[in-house]
Parts: sequence; C-alpha cells; structure tokens
Amino acid sequence: QSALTQPASVSGSPGQSITISCTGTSSDVGGYNYVSWYQQHPGKAPKLMIYDVSKRPSGVSNRFSGSKSGNTASLTISGLQAEDEADYYCSSYTSSSTWVFGGGTKLTVL
Amino acid sequence: EVQLVQSGAEVKKPGATVKISCKVSGYTFTDYYMHWVQQAPGKGLEWMGLVDPEDGETIYAEKFQGRVTITADTSTDTAYMELSSLRSEDTAVYYCATGRRPNSRYMDVWGKGTTVTVSS
Repeated sequence: QSALTQPASVSGSPGQSITISCTGTSSDVGGYNYVSWYQQHPGKAPKLMIYDVSKRPSGVSNRFSGSKSGNTASLTISGLQAEDEADYYCSSYTSSSTWVFGGGTKLTVL
Repeated sequence: EVQLVQSGAEVKKPGATVKISCKVSGYTFTDYYMHWVQQAPGKGLEWMGLVDPEDGETIYAEKFQGRVTITADTSTDTAYMELSSLRSEDTAVYYCATGRRPNSRYMDVWGKGTTVTVSS
C-alpha cells in the first residue's frame, strides 16, 4: 500500500486560507468516505482534526474543514493563526481493511 | 477523560525484540480498536496495525507482517505492540491510538508515544 500523496509544504499569512491536498487511489481515498486529517506539533502526538472526510470532532475549530473529489481529499484552514503552524497528515481506510497515511505537509504561517 | 499511557523509552540492539504497552483509562477497553503507528525521526506517520480487544482479532500492515504482534489484555485494559528482528530503521516513536468499534475508521485519541532506539 503506497502512501497517500501530499505536498511537502504550504504556507500562508495570518488571516488567509490554505488548502492541503491528499491524493490516493480508488482503493483508498476514492473508494470510501473514510479520510481523516491529523495535526502534529513538534514533539507532540498527532491530534484528530477531521474524520469521515468532512466531520469535525468536538472542540476542533470550525476554521478547519474537509472535502473530497474523486481520489483527492482536501483540508482547508481558514483565518490562519500562528498556532496552526504544524505538520498535517491525511489518512484513509483502504480496500485491504488497513489504513494508509499521507507523507505529511508542513504548514508555515508567515 | 480518555487516556492512553504508554510505557517508557527503550534501547535495543539489532536483532532484538521490543514490547511496548499502552494502558487505557476513562473508557471501556473493548469498545475501541487499538491502532499502532510508527514515526521515524523526521519522517511521517506509518500505520502498523490494530487489535480488536473484543475478540483479539488483528490486522497488520504488509510492511510489518511477520515482525509485529499486537495484543490486548482485557484483564488490565492494556494493549501491547511487539516488534521483532529489530534493525536501525525501526528507530522511531511508536504511538497507540484508539478508534471506536465497530464503525469508526479514524484514530481519535492518541498516546504520547514511546521512543525506541535500535543501536549496537
């Protein structure tokens, strides 16, 4: 199972919006509405931000949103804040009943 | 409050076996799958496998199949991940993470991680 494809880095200024893409195949991202997104600050454990493509867990800011089209899922962060600077990983359930992560995207808030 | 408390850092020699624990509190152990995720230094997350504490059933990633064993002890509400034939590339932080049975396909609560260093 190959890792999902994410851009290595994205950046934006405070207040702006950014989108991180996550491309897979019809055996993972495209085949199920089971894409999740995780935020990881340096030295910390990952934190669930989005699940089932577009659902937000309780306590996660509504500035975070998710979507999917075909084999590509996206995470959008609006109204960028300094504390959003972190690594972001997408993940998908697969046709092999396993999970796969993306390579991760480093978000820099300028 | 749901908590996952992982065991402490380990240093192992190449070829050895490491066993990491993840003790849960704040929820019914058998209501959640337990995933294990590897993160090598400076690298991304890699899913290793999971156990269903309800019946002990496991699923492993192909990459780790044959070297990893994930178990769940319902008497102590503790999950374990054992990785054998260690090599330098296994130097990493290992996380346990939960997913609600039977339908969730995401990991909603994570442990703080256990650092494993493989060095001769």
